[in-house]
Amino acid sequence: KAGVTQTPRYLIKTRGQQVTLSCSPISGHRSVSWYQQTPGQGLQFLFEYFSETQRNKGNFPGRFSGRQFSNSRSEMNVSTLELGDSALYLCASSFRNSGPQETQYFGPGTRLLVL
Amino acid sequence: AQSVTQLGSHVSVSEGALVLLRCNYSSSVPPYLFWYVQYPNQGLQLLLKYTSAATLVKGINGFEAEFKKSETSFHLTKPSAHMSDAAEYFCAVSGGSNYKLTFGKGTLLTVNP
Repeated sequence: KAGVTQTPRYLIKTRGQQVTLSCSPISGHRSVSWYQQTPGQGLQFLFEYFSETQRNKGNFPGRFSGRQFSNSRSEMNVSTLELGDSALYLCASSFRNSGPQETQYFGPGTRLLVL
Repeated sequence: AQSVTQLGSHVSVSEGALVLLRCNYSSSVPPYLFWYVQYPNQGLQLLLKYTSAATLVKGINGFEAEFKKSETSFHLTKPSAHMSDAAEYFCAVSGGSNYKLTFGKGTLLTVNP
């Protein structure tokens, strides 16, 4: 069974640009969550999508947005990039049918560098 | 609200020595607790999780953790460290109707030959 895949793996952008990251969950998983990992702030929850609806949102500015498609694939978008957006962006998938004790399976991440 | 504190951002052990990584949590609802490992340039891999079925949880690669409600702790241990255990370890909590994981800052484990 294929794991969570994320594309692209690496990305370099300049300040002010926008970026779109993609995540394909494990087959059958309908929930996709996004996390930002930085050396200073650690791992922080961005948002979760389930059945094409945002179910939960972390404390990030509106420049960070996401969506989920009918095949459960998800994208996140960051507009007007800032230097501080440089991070590893991880997505995680789960079935979301048995409660918050469910395991979330993580992809390898997309490393974004903003210059 | 939930939070996790991992004591020690860096732990160094000798190969064959006991590994002990500390995690304390705070949660206003019954918690579910997870330990994940991250190798360089990779995502997170689940080591083990506590889901209230048993307080002593065994995971992959010889790791185990014990849930102690009175101490609000979920420390990770391994009796004998191997070079391949060198990685960063994250403790996380979820609970209630909240599917999101709240992570600790992580502990970098170094294993010396």
